[in-house]
Amino acid sequence: EVQLLESGGDLVQPGGSLRLSCAASAFTFSSYAMSWVRQAPGRGLEWVSTISGSGGSTYYADSAKGRFTISRDNSKSTLYLQINSLRVEDTAVYYCAKSVGATTIRTFDVWGQGTMVTVSS
Amino acid sequence: QSALTQPASVSGSPGQSITISCTGTSSDVGSYNYVSWYQQHPGKAPKLIIYDVSNRPSGVSNRFSGSKSGNTASLTISGLQAEDEADYYCSSFTSSSTVVFGGGTKLTVL
Repeated sequence: EVQLLESGGDLVQPGGSLRLSCAASAFTFSSYAMSWVRQAPGRGLEWVSTISGSGGSTYYADSAKGRFTISRDNSKSTLYLQINSLRVEDTAVYYCAKSVGATTIRTFDVWGQGTMVTVSS
Repeated sequence: QSALTQPASVSGSPGQSITISCTGTSSDVGSYNYVSWYQQHPGKAPKLIIYDVSNRPSGVSNRFSGSKSGNTASLTISGLQAEDEADYYCSSFTSSSTVVFGGGTKLTVL
């Protein structure tokens, strides 16, 4: 069964940094683009970033440009999201999601269970 | 990139059909047949139920269907069942090579 397992969420003070991880299993990881989607408490879904299967192309929402860095290690079937200069408004559940192709970013067919990031002093 | 516009809530009785709209612009919904719909139950991860406007992933009930006209996409659920009560989100690829979601619609089965 295809699975995604996020980790790394924590309570962090404003201005701090965090690296989220997403371990994938049961599919050829390098063949698919991967994404991060977040959901603030009681709010809707917000696309954050996508990386192509090879890692050669990355895409970011305007809200993520400059502070967020998406990366992947295909040898470990793991996706990462580095978040710097955390803000209160970054508080959310962060979901890892698999795309339907190596370069496509438009459809997310498998989701992890999410990891909670709380930014508060 | 502004979020796609969805009604905040819709409701229907068991057995009935409901439709949820998703309105974007000529830079997203109107230009690409890359609209997806996701179902999310409370405390759970989203689940893909429609992709590329009207395609259903394997295992998704044929009670779910999607369509698009101009800048507006729609999700129709026929034969409403209690387990359909959830939040529904649309998304679209955009001309900026990004993805934009709708604000979400809460479906209540009366």
